[in-house]
Amino acid sequence: KQEVTQIPAALSVPEGENLVLNCSFTDSAIYNLQWFRQDPGKGLTSLLLIQSSQREQTSGRLNASLDKSSGRSTLYIAASQPGDSATYLCAVNADSNYQLIWGAGTKLIIKP
Amino acid sequence: GAGVSQSPRYKVAKRGQDVALRCDPISGHVSLFWYQQALGQGPEFLTYFQNEAQLDKSGLPSDRFFAERPEGSVSTLKIQRTQQEDSAVYLCASSLGGQGLLGNTIYFGEGSWLTVV
Repeated sequence: KQEVTQIPAALSVPEGENLVLNCSFTDSAIYNLQWFRQDPGKGLTSLLLIQSSQREQTSGRLNASLDKSSGRSTLYIAASQPGDSATYLCAVNADSNYQLIWGAGTKLIIKP
Repeated sequence: GAGVSQSPRYKVAKRGQDVALRCDPISGHVSLFWYQQALGQGPEFLTYFQNEAQLDKSGLPSDRFFAERPEGSVSTLKIQRTQQEDSAVYLCASSLGGQGLLGNTIYFGEGSWLTVV
């Protein structure tokens, strides 16, 4: 059974720092992996989608990498800003078209 | 509409009461998903619709949970005889294509927060 783990559960860093969030999954047979952002009381916003054949995706200050063989993905945030404060979740699309398997998220706080 | 809309945003139900949660997907979106998110956890899949067809309901936790999308647009998630463990945020999401998650961006609503007392 696919399991997704995110470490750390929470992270607090000063504004301007570069940071890395980690996501690991137990079964490397995935279609794709997505990173989402969730603000308190809000829904989820898709940030980056990496297909299984890809190694990384970039959007602005965000870069996500995927290493299927080791079951790992990282989300790199450059020059962090207070507005980046949110919970970041990763999810894998594994054995169906319909189900995403989610990590519990990393709660990120960027201190001004 | 501009985004996925869910109602009610907040619902407090007495144990044993039936509740109905509504989802208005983005207009024209073929795929519709329901997820359940407990506090401090990631979402868990409940069910998937392709237009009006419910292709996967394997995540529904019990026969007290029922979902429908009769005309292929608006969907309703119904929970009968609610129990305290049903307290969670219920998230609806939609995507344009009919192949579920493959190659499609998925858009989430803000969720319906259910508290069973």
